[in-house]
Amino acid sequence: DIQLTQSPSFLSASVGDRVTITCRASQGISSYLAWYQQKPGKAPKLLIYAASTLQSGVPSRFSGSGSGTEFTLTISSLQPEDFATYYCQQLEPFGQGTRLEIK
Amino acid sequence: QLQLQESGPGLVKPSETLSLTCTVSGGSISSSSYYWGWIRQPPGKGLEWIGSIYYSGSTYYNPSLKSRVTISVDTSKNQFSLKLSSVTAADTAVYYCARRVSVTVGFDPWGQGTLVTVSS
Repeated sequence: DIQLTQSPSFLSASVGDRVTITCRASQGISSYLAWYQQKPGKAPKLLIYAASTLQSGVPSRFSGSGSGTEFTLTISSLQPEDFATYYCQQLEPFGQGTRLEIK
Repeated sequence: QLQLQESGPGLVKPSETLSLTCTVSGGSISSSSYYWGWIRQPPGKGLEWIGSIYYSGSTYYNPSLKSRVTISVDTSKNQFSLKLSSVTAADTAVYYCARRVSVTVGFDPWGQGTLVTVSS
């Protein structure tokens, strides 16, 4: 079974910062990776699919890259509404999540 | 606009079977372009994929839950369902249904989720 490991598990940052979250797969998964944002009490929201394709309606400050076993989600300039938990997902398994909080 | 809505009991007794239904509106569940999935999230924890189904009835399940999970589809009602048997307190979670495009990765949209508590 493929395992996904996100790092860091917790991230503290300020509005305007550039942040990067990493997702590592236990074996190569080509570009079959998605990223989600989840806010408390809400369903996850798809941000990026196929490793780097921005879902319709998602702000361009979000970007994804990578292939094979290492992937990154980058937020170029944090906005107040971006403080949330982020998950990566291969076809089915999810990473454990990265909680992004305001410094 | 496609919408998904979970429904079912919010309280299930230990050792019994959890049953949930996801009703799809604004689109057809019979499209060959999509898979339909169940995902859960225990309180304060991360997301766990449970299983997915194609409109034809083909299913695949999380290996860790496979022995207890059955997902089925009713195209006439535009619904798909989840059954999880022999539940314990560890199965207490918010259960979500969602759609995935068959040729890529990523669930969208999602239902709002429904909390199922396992308790006597």
